[in-house]
Amino acid sequence: KAGVTQTPRYLIKTRGQQVTLSCSPISGHRSVSWYQQTPGQGLQFLFEYFSETQRNKGNFPGRFSGRQFSNSRSEMNVSTLELGDSALYLCASSFGLAQETQYFGPGTRLLVL
Amino acid sequence: TQLLEQSPQFLSIQEGENLTVYCNSSSVFSSLQWYRQEPGEGPVLLVTVVTGGEVKKLKRLTFQFGDARKDSSLHITAAQPGDTGLYLCAATPRAGTASKLTFGTGTRLQVTL
Repeated sequence: KAGVTQTPRYLIKTRGQQVTLSCSPISGHRSVSWYQQTPGQGLQFLFEYFSETQRNKGNFPGRFSGRQFSNSRSEMNVSTLELGDSALYLCASSFGLAQETQYFGPGTRLLVL
Repeated sequence: TQLLEQSPQFLSIQEGENLTVYCNSSSVFSSLQWYRQEPGEGPVLLVTVVTGGEVKKLKRLTFQFGDARKDSSLHITAAQPGDTGLYLCAATPRAGTASKLTFGTGTRLQVTL
């Protein structure tokens, strides 16, 4: 069974631009969560989607948004990029909302210049 | 917000040595997970502990959940270079919300020959 895939793996943007990251969960998994990882703040929860609906949201500004499609694939968007948005963005999938085990993708490394 | 403190932050040891990593919080967890993350990859789940006092062994790794379910430890026996990586604990604050994990601050382990 293929793992969680994320595209692109690396991205360089400039301040003020917007970016869209994509995540394909493991086949059959319906829950997708997004996390931001930085050296200073560690791994922080962004949001979770299940059945095309956002179910949980972390403490991030409205510039961070996401969506989930009917095939469970998910995208997250960051508008008006700031230098501090440079991070590794990780996607994790699980079978359902209450499942203990999440499987992480390799992440998308975003650099904002 | 539940805060998970890990110690030590960094650990550099030689092959064959033993080590223990700690994960502490003032809050009670319904479950706790340990992950290992290698450079350029997402975290990989090592173990989930759910019962206070529980001890789980995974080859040379021993995981313990505190009796009060507020702390956990990871002990590695006879460390090998392949154990090098970032070790993260993550907690579920209450049952049924596993997808909203809170991650610890991380312990970066380097094992040299």
